[in-house]
Amino acid sequence: DTGVSQDPRHKITKRGQNVTFRCDPISEHNRLYWYRQTLGQGPEFLTYFQNEAQLEKSRLLSDRFSAERPKGSFSTLEIQRTEQGDSAMYLCASSLGLGELFFGEGSRLTVL
Amino acid sequence: QQPVQSPQAVILREGEDAVINCSSSKALYSVHWYRQKHGEAPVFLMILLKGGEQKGHEKISASFNEKKQQSSLYLTASQLSYSGTYFCGTVGGTSGSARQLTFGSGTQLTVLP
Repeated sequence: DTGVSQDPRHKITKRGQNVTFRCDPISEHNRLYWYRQTLGQGPEFLTYFQNEAQLEKSRLLSDRFSAERPKGSFSTLEIQRTEQGDSAMYLCASSLGLGELFFGEGSRLTVL
Repeated sequence: QQPVQSPQAVILREGEDAVINCSSSKALYSVHWYRQKHGEAPVFLMILLKGGEQKGHEKISASFNEKKQQSSLYLTASQLSYSGTYFCGTVGGTSGSARQLTFGSGTQLTVLP
Protein backbone atom coordinates (compact mmCIF):
# COMPACT_ATOMS: atom_id res chain seq x y z
CA ASP A 1 0.00 0.00 0.00
CA THR A 2 1.57 3.27 -1.09
CA GLY A 3 -0.98 5.64 0.46
CA VAL A 4 -0.99 7.60 3.71
CA SER A 5 -2.00 5.42 6.63
CA GLN A 6 -3.26 6.51 10.03
CA ASP A 7 -3.71 4.60 13.23
CA PRO A 8 -5.96 4.13 15.08
CA ARG A 9 -8.94 4.86 12.86
CA HIS A 10 -11.20 5.37 15.86
CA LYS A 11 -10.42 6.27 19.44
CA ILE A 12 -12.89 6.72 22.28
CA THR A 13 -11.44 8.09 25.47
CA LYS A 14 -12.52 9.71 28.68
CA ARG A 15 -11.93 13.36 29.41
CA GLY A 16 -8.52 13.91 30.91
CA GLN A 17 -6.83 10.94 29.27
CA ASN A 18 -3.94 11.20 26.81
CA VAL A 19 -4.19 9.94 23.25
CA THR A 20 -1.64 9.46 20.50
CA PHE A 21 -2.22 9.17 16.77
CA ARG A 22 0.26 7.88 14.25
CA CYS A 23 0.64 8.78 10.59
CA ASP A 24 2.76 6.99 8.00
CA PRO A 25 3.15 9.21 4.94
CA ILE A 26 3.97 8.19 1.40
CA SER A 27 7.60 7.22 1.64
CA GLU A 28 9.14 9.72 -0.77
CA HIS A 29 7.13 12.69 0.51
CA ASN A 30 9.10 15.24 2.48
CA ARG A 31 6.18 17.25 3.83
CA LEU A 32 3.67 16.06 6.40
CA TYR A 33 0.62 17.95 7.65
CA TRP A 34 -1.84 17.45 10.48
CA TYR A 35 -5.36 18.82 10.17
CA ARG A 36 -8.44 18.65 12.38
CA GLN A 37 -11.91 18.44 10.88
CA THR A 38 -15.26 18.74 12.61
CA LEU A 39 -18.63 17.98 11.07
CA GLY A 40 -19.57 20.39 8.31
CA GLN A 41 -16.26 22.23 8.37
CA GLY A 42 -13.17 22.24 6.25
CA PRO A 43 -9.92 20.79 7.54
CA GLU A 44 -8.25 23.14 10.03
CA PHE A 45 -4.48 23.35 9.85
CA LEU A 46 -2.68 22.19 12.99
CA THR A 47 0.96 21.74 12.12
CA TYR A 48 3.38 20.99 9.33
CA PHE A 49 6.73 19.23 8.99
CA GLN A 50 9.34 19.39 6.30
CA ASN A 51 11.40 16.27 6.80
CA GLU A 52 11.91 16.12 10.57
CA ALA A 53 11.59 19.85 11.21
CA GLN A 54 8.30 21.20 12.53
CA LEU A 55 8.05 24.47 10.62
CA GLU A 56 4.61 25.81 11.48
CA LYS A 57 2.11 25.42 14.27
CA SER A 58 -1.40 26.78 14.36
CA ARG A 59 -2.78 28.81 17.24
CA LEU A 60 -5.23 25.94 17.58
CA LEU A 61 -2.38 23.79 18.78
CA SER A 62 -2.47 24.46 22.50
CA ASP A 63 0.12 23.29 25.00
CA ARG A 64 -1.78 20.04 25.29
CA PHE A 65 -0.96 19.13 21.71
CA SER A 66 2.44 17.96 20.55
CA ALA A 67 3.60 16.50 17.28
CA GLU A 68 6.81 14.83 16.26
CA ARG A 69 8.30 13.41 13.13
CA PRO A 70 11.49 11.60 14.13
CA LYS A 71 13.92 10.99 11.30
CA GLY A 72 11.52 12.54 8.84
CA SER A 73 9.45 9.40 8.49
CA PHE A 74 6.26 8.67 10.43
CA SER A 75 4.67 11.28 12.65
CA THR A 76 2.78 11.20 15.93
CA LEU A 77 0.24 13.65 17.28
CA GLU A 78 -0.34 13.49 21.02
CA ILE A 79 -3.15 15.18 22.89
CA GLN A 80 -2.74 15.38 26.64
CA ARG A 81 -5.58 15.83 29.13
CA THR A 82 -8.21 15.52 26.44
CA GLU A 83 -11.30 17.71 26.53
CA GLN A 84 -14.69 17.17 24.91
CA GLY A 85 -13.86 19.96 22.48
CA ASP A 86 -11.03 17.84 21.11
CA SER A 87 -13.54 15.42 19.58
CA ALA A 88 -12.93 15.56 15.83
CA MET A 89 -11.42 13.77 12.89
CA TYR A 90 -7.65 14.18 12.82
CA LEU A 91 -6.34 14.04 9.28
CA CYS A 92 -2.78 13.52 8.20
CA ALA A 93 -1.57 14.42 4.72
CA SER A 94 1.74 14.27 2.93
CA SER A 95 3.12 15.92 -0.16
CA LEU A 96 6.23 16.24 -2.26
CA GLY A 97 7.16 19.88 -2.20
CA LEU A 98 4.25 22.27 -2.67
CA GLY A 99 2.32 19.72 -4.69
CA GLU A 100 -0.96 18.00 -4.06
CA LEU A 101 -1.73 16.71 -0.61
CA PHE A 102 -2.47 13.03 -0.17
CA PHE A 103 -4.72 12.52 2.82
CA GLY A 104 -5.03 9.52 5.06
CA GLU A 105 -8.42 8.13 6.09
CA GLY A 106 -8.18 9.98 9.38
CA SER A 107 -8.35 9.13 13.07
CA ARG A 108 -11.69 9.89 14.66
CA LEU A 109 -11.47 10.93 18.30
CA THR A 110 -14.44 10.87 20.64
CA VAL A 111 -13.92 12.30 24.12
CA LEU A 112 -16.59 11.31 26.63
CA GLN B 1 -6.84 33.47 7.16
CA GLN B 2 -9.54 31.14 5.90
CA PRO B 3 -10.67 31.59 2.28
CA VAL B 4 -14.36 32.18 1.65
CA GLN B 5 -16.28 29.78 -0.57
CA SER B 6 -19.59 30.32 -2.35
CA PRO B 7 -22.15 29.00 -2.67
CA GLN B 8 -22.37 26.95 0.52
CA ALA B 9 -24.49 24.36 -1.22
CA VAL B 10 -25.76 23.63 -4.69
CA ILE B 11 -28.16 21.04 -6.07
CA LEU B 12 -28.26 20.23 -9.75
CA ARG B 13 -29.38 17.58 -12.19
CA GLU B 14 -27.08 15.22 -13.98
CA GLY B 15 -25.63 16.93 -17.03
CA GLU B 16 -25.90 20.46 -15.65
CA ASP B 17 -22.97 22.74 -14.96
CA ALA B 18 -21.79 24.27 -11.70
CA VAL B 19 -19.32 26.91 -10.61
CA ILE B 20 -17.79 27.09 -7.16
CA ASN B 21 -15.95 30.21 -6.07
CA CYS B 22 -13.14 30.79 -3.60
CA SER B 23 -11.80 34.16 -2.49
CA SER B 24 -9.10 35.33 -0.14
CA SER B 25 -8.27 38.63 1.47
CA LYS B 26 -4.52 38.10 1.12
CA ALA B 27 -2.09 37.60 -1.74
CA LEU B 28 -2.03 34.02 -2.89
CA TYR B 29 0.73 31.84 -4.21
CA SER B 30 -1.47 28.91 -5.12
CA VAL B 31 -4.98 27.53 -4.85
CA HIS B 32 -5.82 23.87 -4.35
CA TRP B 33 -9.16 22.19 -4.90
CA TYR B 34 -10.23 18.96 -3.18
CA ARG B 35 -13.41 16.90 -3.10
CA GLN B 36 -14.54 14.97 -0.05
CA LYS B 37 -17.28 12.37 -0.05
CA HIS B 38 -19.08 11.54 3.15
CA GLY B 39 -16.92 9.50 5.49
CA GLU B 40 -13.89 9.64 3.21
CA ALA B 41 -10.68 11.63 3.05
CA PRO B 42 -10.37 14.68 0.80
CA VAL B 43 -9.13 13.86 -2.68
CA PHE B 44 -7.04 16.19 -4.82
CA LEU B 45 -8.62 17.75 -7.90
CA MET B 46 -6.43 20.63 -9.02
CA ILE B 47 -3.67 23.06 -8.18
CA LEU B 48 -3.47 26.53 -9.68
CA LEU B 49 -0.20 28.32 -9.29
CA LYS B 50 0.67 31.97 -9.45
CA GLY B 51 1.75 32.63 -12.99
CA GLY B 52 -0.95 30.54 -14.57
CA GLU B 53 0.31 26.99 -14.31
CA GLN B 54 -2.37 24.39 -13.63
CA LYS B 55 -2.11 20.80 -12.60
CA GLY B 56 -5.21 18.72 -12.33
CA HIS B 57 -7.60 16.22 -13.74
CA GLU B 58 -9.70 15.88 -16.85
CA LYS B 59 -13.28 17.17 -17.02
CA ILE B 60 -12.65 19.70 -14.28
CA SER B 61 -11.28 23.13 -14.97
CA ALA B 62 -10.53 26.12 -12.84
CA SER B 63 -9.37 29.69 -13.02
CA PHE B 64 -7.15 31.75 -10.76
CA ASN B 65 -7.32 35.53 -10.75
CA GLU B 66 -4.16 36.55 -8.92
CA LYS B 67 -5.05 40.22 -8.74
CA LYS B 68 -8.42 39.58 -7.15
CA GLN B 69 -7.18 36.61 -5.09
CA GLN B 70 -10.03 34.54 -6.42
CA SER B 71 -10.41 31.11 -7.93
CA SER B 72 -13.35 29.34 -9.51
CA LEU B 73 -13.89 25.63 -10.11
CA TYR B 74 -15.93 24.67 -13.16
CA LEU B 75 -17.79 21.38 -13.24
CA THR B 76 -19.35 20.75 -16.64
CA ALA B 77 -21.85 18.07 -17.61
CA SER B 78 -22.00 16.93 -14.00
CA GLN B 79 -22.23 13.27 -13.15
CA LEU B 80 -23.67 11.57 -10.08
CA SER B 81 -20.11 10.85 -8.96
CA TYR B 82 -19.43 14.59 -8.67
CA SER B 83 -21.53 14.75 -5.51
CA GLY B 84 -19.56 15.66 -2.43
CA THR B 85 -18.13 18.61 -0.57
CA TYR B 86 -15.63 20.74 -2.46
CA PHE B 87 -12.93 22.57 -0.56
CA CYS B 88 -10.55 25.19 -1.79
CA GLY B 89 -7.26 25.55 -0.01
CA THR B 90 -4.94 28.50 -0.31
CA VAL B 91 -1.23 29.03 0.16
CA GLY B 92 -0.39 32.64 0.85
CA GLY B 93 2.56 34.83 0.08
CA THR B 94 4.37 35.75 -3.06
CA SER B 95 6.54 32.66 -3.13
CA GLY B 96 4.58 30.19 -1.12
CA SER B 97 6.56 31.19 1.93
CA ALA B 98 3.51 30.50 4.08
CA ARG B 99 3.64 26.77 3.64
CA GLN B 100 0.40 25.90 5.29
CA LEU B 101 -2.61 25.12 3.16
CA THR B 102 -5.66 26.81 4.65
CA PHE B 103 -9.03 25.40 3.67
CA GLY B 104 -12.38 27.08 3.21
CA SER B 105 -15.51 25.77 4.86
CA GLY B 106 -16.62 23.90 1.75
CA THR B 107 -19.37 23.80 -0.87
CA GLN B 108 -21.74 20.86 -0.73
CA LEU B 109 -22.62 19.69 -4.24
CA THR B 110 -25.49 17.28 -4.82
CA VAL B 111 -26.12 15.86 -8.27
CA LEU B 112 -29.53 14.32 -8.78
CA PRO B 113 -30.43 11.82 -11.52
